[in-house]
Amino acid sequence: DAKTTQPTSMDCAEGRAANLPCNHSTISGNEYVYWYRQIHSQGPQYIIHGLKNNETNEMASLIITEDRKSSTLILPHATLRDTAVYYCIVSSLNTGKLIFGQGTTLQVKP
Amino acid sequence: GAVVSQHPSWVICKSGTSVKIECRSLDFQATTMFWYRQFPKQSLMLMATSNEGSKATYEQGVEKDKFLINHASLTLSTLTVTSAHPEDSSFYICSASPDRNPGNTIYFGEGSWLTVV
Repeated sequence: DAKTTQPTSMDCAEGRAANLPCNHSTISGNEYVYWYRQIHSQGPQYIIHGLKNNETNEMASLIITEDRKSSTLILPHATLRDTAVYYCIVSSLNTGKLIFGQGTTLQVKP
Repeated sequence: GAVVSQHPSWVICKSGTSVKIECRSLDFQATTMFWYRQFPKQSLMLMATSNEGSKATYEQGVEKDKFLINHASLTLSTLTVTSAHPEDSSFYICSASPDRNPGNTIYFGEGSWLTVV
């Protein structure tokens, strides 16, 4: 599985957009980029995933660079409840297996 | 609502006993499920792949006789921690996907806290 690199931590002001970067320079052509978040003492929550096109849903937007070597998760209007550890993961083909890195701890501040 | 459910949410057991944790897919069938464990302030670590109707595949360093996995149906996988010791105390999490297409969403359970005393 391709490895990902994320900043250890980030701060964001409440109401502002939170932009979480992820590098995955060794990603293969058939691997997807997944984003999950984990709030303390809970299971990971699915946010969004994509292959090469930008994606948007009710929670967030995912921007993937044209060379697919990096991506950015955008939370358009961060709230205090978005404080969590955010994981960027690249999936193996046809396995459903997700290998977690250390993620980014996002702290949303009032 | 949750599409993957775990039971129990938390359990306390005595050292030397065995404890079983269930993982159910509520709205779909899952030929494959995954088990993770997480220690405080650490990331999730994949333990094993649970395969319906066949033996589980364990990650390197995970004792298969210690962590017994049974996937008897397409909606249920169980993890049994045998002869539990305090160092087995951890947060155990399962995941499942409706099928094996990597374009599909992979759902996680709420997790199960195990404390061995």
